[in-house]
Amino acid sequence: DGGITQSPKYLFRKEGQNVTLSCEQNLNHDAMYWYRQDPGQGLRLIYYSQIVNDFQKGDIAEGYSVSREKKESFPLTVTSAQKNPTAFYLCASSIGSRDSNSPLHFGNGTRLTVT
Amino acid sequence: AQSVAQPEDQVNVAEGNPLTVKCTYSVSGNPYLFWYVQYPNRGLQFLLKYITGDNLVKGSYGFEAEFNKSQTSFHLKKPSALVSDSALYFCAVRARGAQAGANNLFFGTGTRLTVIP
Repeated sequence: DGGITQSPKYLFRKEGQNVTLSCEQNLNHDAMYWYRQDPGQGLRLIYYSQIVNDFQKGDIAEGYSVSREKKESFPLTVTSAQKNPTAFYLCASSIGSRDSNSPLHFGNGTRLTVT
Repeated sequence: AQSVAQPEDQVNVAEGNPLTVKCTYSVSGNPYLFWYVQYPNRGLQFLLKYITGDNLVKGSYGFEAEFNKSQTSFHLKKPSALVSDSALYFCAVRARGAQAGANNLFFGTGTRLTVIP
């Protein structure tokens, strides 16, 4: 089955520690995204990538970092600089062509709790 | 500025009754419009999209949506609600011609639908 796999589903960390969230897709999609979801705030874009070895900051990139060394993988690191890291993190992918009306495909998310 | 508004945080409907979840948008040019559904602790699932043509779009699980250009709306509808339709629904918009994989897909803040047995 083609899809997006996020791991782990739940993650607990102590304040001050960096943590990396995994996202892997086998849909052969060029574009990948990371969103943060907080109650009542909808989805906020952290980072996005159109192709391998290229990525751009979204609306709330501070305190986060990403890499895109392979087409299939787009890991997100939540650093100790992120002031309020506890949230539900969603990874997505899509066909990356111009004027694409293809929808995003989402993983099932990682719920990060930092104490 | 491009944006999407879902004016209702919560919609309650009795099982078997028709349901409507509202969405209005602001985007330059003609948009692509999407509806997604999210069940608890899961990612978003694509329901349907409007590209062009017929203003009434049919999607998954019996949902449909009506595009109204003059009112810049894209309301989600279903003729007969099921308890299993209870979930969080998101509307999204992208301007036509925009490069995918960029910061140009705008989501609403979501509407929680509760279908009462």
